[in-house]
Amino acid sequence: EDQVTQSPEALRLQEGESSSLNCSYTVSGLRGLFWYRQDPGKGPEFLFTLYSAGEEKEKERLKATLTKKESFLHITAPKPEDSATYLCAVQAGYKLSFGAGTTVTVRA
Amino acid sequence: SQTIHQWPATLVQPVGSPLSLECTVEGTSNPNLYWYRQAAGRGLQLLFYSVGIGQISSEVPQNLSASRPQDRQFILSSKKLLLSDSGFYLCAWSVGSSSNQPQHFGDGTRLSIL
Repeated sequence: EDQVTQSPEALRLQEGESSSLNCSYTVSGLRGLFWYRQDPGKGPEFLFTLYSAGEEKEKERLKATLTKKESFLHITAPKPEDSATYLCAVQAGYKLSFGAGTTVTVRA
Repeated sequence: SQTIHQWPATLVQPVGSPLSLECTVEGTSNPNLYWYRQAAGRGLQLLFYSVGIGQISSEVPQNLSASRPQDRQFILSSKKLLLSDSGFYLCAWSVGSSSNQPQHFGDGTRLSIL
């Protein structure tokens, strides 16, 4: 069975304090690894897709990387508006298996 | 551009009552459609997905059902709700020609069962 584990569960950062989120996975036949951002009471918002080990994607202060067993989401010099829950998911076939998420709080 | 609509945003229902949640997608044809449930502090759980009209695959046995009466319409139903059906229900779509495209989510329905 596909498994996705995200750590830490919660992360409190000072504005400008860079950090990384971890997503460890086991899946048969990875079709893609996806990162989403979810604000309270809203649906997840798509951020990145990574398809193969060594691939990297960037968007503003966020950078996602992928190895054969895990992915990292690096947040560089975060701002309060980066506060959200970040979800990682792996795809095998049509099914996305999600981790429980990391809730990031950035204080001004 | 593509948009996805879910309604209602919130719903309070008594135990044993029926349920119908609707999701529609605009700006694309023949999308793959999905229903997820998100419990507090847990990851999203896939309930149903559909690759075409009338084609429904169920991932988790339960008292819920799904239907796709039109290309861009996806409905989640129940004949009798249970307390355990409470949760945040999310509809999503992806490009229909491939299974490894990102899924895009609506803003969900918060369902509370009393």
